[in-house]
Amino acid sequence: EAQVTQNPRYLITVTGKKLTVTCSQNMNHEYMSWYRQDPGLGLRQIYYSMNVEVTDKGDVPEGYKVSRKEKRNFPLILESPSPNQTSLYFCASSLSGGLGGYTFGSGTRLTVV
Amino acid sequence: KQEVTQIPAALSVPEGENLVLNCSFTDSAIYNLQWFRQDPGKGLTSLLLIQSSQREQTSGRLNASLDKSSGRSTLYIAASQPGDSATYLCAGKLLQGAQKLVFGQGTRLTINP
Repeated sequence: EAQVTQNPRYLITVTGKKLTVTCSQNMNHEYMSWYRQDPGLGLRQIYYSMNVEVTDKGDVPEGYKVSRKEKRNFPLILESPSPNQTSLYFCASSLSGGLGGYTFGSGTRLTVV
Repeated sequence: KQEVTQIPAALSVPEGENLVLNCSFTDSAIYNLQWFRQDPGKGLTSLLLIQSSQREQTSGRLNASLDKSSGRSTLYIAASQPGDSATYLCAGKLLQGAQKLVFGQGTRLTINP
């Protein structure tokens, strides 16, 4: 089944403790991206990657890092999480340029205390 | 800057009614437009994708239209059912520029038995 898999689904952590949210897709998509969803603010793009070793900032990149060493994986790294990064995170992938539309993962609910 | 607006923010109708959800966008240079469904706290499920060269797409009881000249898209749901209750999001991908989907704030739909 074609899908985007995120792990973990739920995570509670403390301020300052580094964490990684993993994202993997099995559709051989070139493009991958991370979004966060917050009440009243909607979905906002954090980072995106056009292909292996090619990444760029989205609208709200502060406090996040990404890497794209393999085509299928696009982890999101929070080096020093803060409470304002408490959010619902989504990973998405598509063929180059958004051809064929975007497939989203099931989401990761992150709480930073 | 592309902006996407969805009206109404919330809609409650009795079961069996046909209904229309609206989505408007400011930049007509759109590559494609995608409608998603989101259940509370869950992921985004793609419902329909309309390419810029298309006028509409259909899947079961759902029909989405796209009018680039007026900057509008509609999602038509026929014979609504309680299981259709969810938040519906539209998102547009521009032809050029930022590599991302721009999302509307969503319409929260409740179908009453």
